[in-house]
Amino acid sequence: LAKTTQPISMDSYEGQEVNITCGHNNIATNDYITWYQQFPSQGPRFIIQGYKTKVTNEVASLFIPADRKSSTLSLPRVSLSDTAVYYCLGAYSGAGSYQLTFGKGTKLSVIP
Amino acid sequence: NAGVTQTPKFQVLKTGQSMTLQCAQDMNHNSMYWYRQDPGMGLRLIYYSASEGTTDKGEVPNGYNVSRLNKREFSLRLESAAPSQTSVYFCASHPPTGDYGYTFGSGTRLTVV
Repeated sequence: LAKTTQPISMDSYEGQEVNITCGHNNIATNDYITWYQQFPSQGPRFIIQGYKTKVTNEVASLFIPADRKSSTLSLPRVSLSDTAVYYCLGAYSGAGSYQLTFGKGTKLSVIP
Repeated sequence: NAGVTQTPKFQVLKTGQSMTLQCAQDMNHNSMYWYRQDPGMGLRLIYYSASEGTTDKGEVPNGYNVSRLNKREFSLRLESAAPSQTSVYFCASHPPTGDYGYTFGSGTRLTVV
């Protein structure tokens, strides 16, 4: 199973840009790199995913280098409501069933 | 609203009791999953169902059984609850390809005393 490495925790002040980097040393060729966000007492929520280069949506940007051995989730101008745990994972990009393997994630604390 | 609905939200059981956690999705997804999450841990896969009529074990299946009743519903049963099964349980589903990720339910917080 693909293993990821990411910092256990990060602190940031409101209004700053936050970058969370994840290591994907053995990501499979067919896997997307995907990120989820989890608030206390809620299920994880899909944020963004990509295969390579840069992907941007209304919530975040995702940067993936050509070798795909890492990825960086960028949250612009964070607010208190961005305090959550963020998980990076490899997710199969083809048709059919696939299982997500969650690590412990990165706990982001946004400070006023 | 489209999504994954889990019931109940909270449950306290005595050791040895049985119960079924219910999950339903209205997004016409084929694949459904049950995960558990323990304090300070990521989520661990218990069972999954790739399509109606099929189920497979995940990482931590011992002590659980599942039923894929139809395309919408995927239930998780604890036949004889143990304190080690105290956890938060999440049901999830995803569309035919990985394009849009999983959709998770809001969870069932189970305490076994």
